[in-house]
Amino acid sequence: GAVVSQHPSRVICKSGTSVKIECRSLDFQATTMFWYRQFPKQSLMLMATSNEGSKATYEQGVEKDKFLINHASLTLSTLTVTSAHPEDSSFYICSARFATEAFFGQGTRLTVV
Amino acid sequence: GENVEQHPSTLSVQEGDSAVIKCTYSDSASNYFPWYKQELGKGPQLIIDIRSNVGEKKDQRIAVTLNKTAKHFSLHITETQPEDSAVYFCAATLGGSFQKLVFGTGTRLLVSP
Repeated sequence: GAVVSQHPSRVICKSGTSVKIECRSLDFQATTMFWYRQFPKQSLMLMATSNEGSKATYEQGVEKDKFLINHASLTLSTLTVTSAHPEDSSFYICSARFATEAFFGQGTRLTVV
Repeated sequence: GENVEQHPSTLSVQEGDSAVIKCTYSDSASNYFPWYKQELGKGPQLIIDIRSNVGEKKDQRIAVTLNKTAKHFSLHITETQPEDSAVYFCAATLGGSFQKLVFGTGTRLLVSP
């Protein structure tokens, strides 16, 4: 199957700072990537759809100025959590479409202290 | 929009037993139904999927069945092993095109030796 790499796997940051998470498709080109958020023992909630060369599409209730998404190339999408607060602590997961399947990154555990 | 319900939320079986997880969906236009296995602290991993033009698909110990009329699909794991212990998520596409996946609430499977 296709490989999606997400970095970093864990990050701890102070309140008020920004954190960037990278999602790379290693062996295929992805025009569309997805960003999810997962709270402990809960399901994956789609935050936004990242489209290469255009603006991301955010789900209802997700602040676009808070969660900045950039998809500048066919193999890289980034999610920046700006002015992070403790309530932003969560597990963030990206996925990329390859043909008609979705492959997921390893996830990033963000802890805001 | 699409709504995916998943049952049970937890499932405990003895090694060698079979496990069945069921999901129902609401959008009759959905046409792709993947199942993911998620281990602690990792991203979801695709284990099997089925498309709306197929009623059943099998891959070694794992099988998925789809009933389009009733809008439900099920994951069947036979001869369970301790390493099958994980959280399993079903998902369905939102509408007929693969633009978004809507996830079920997850099933925590515990296989005891």
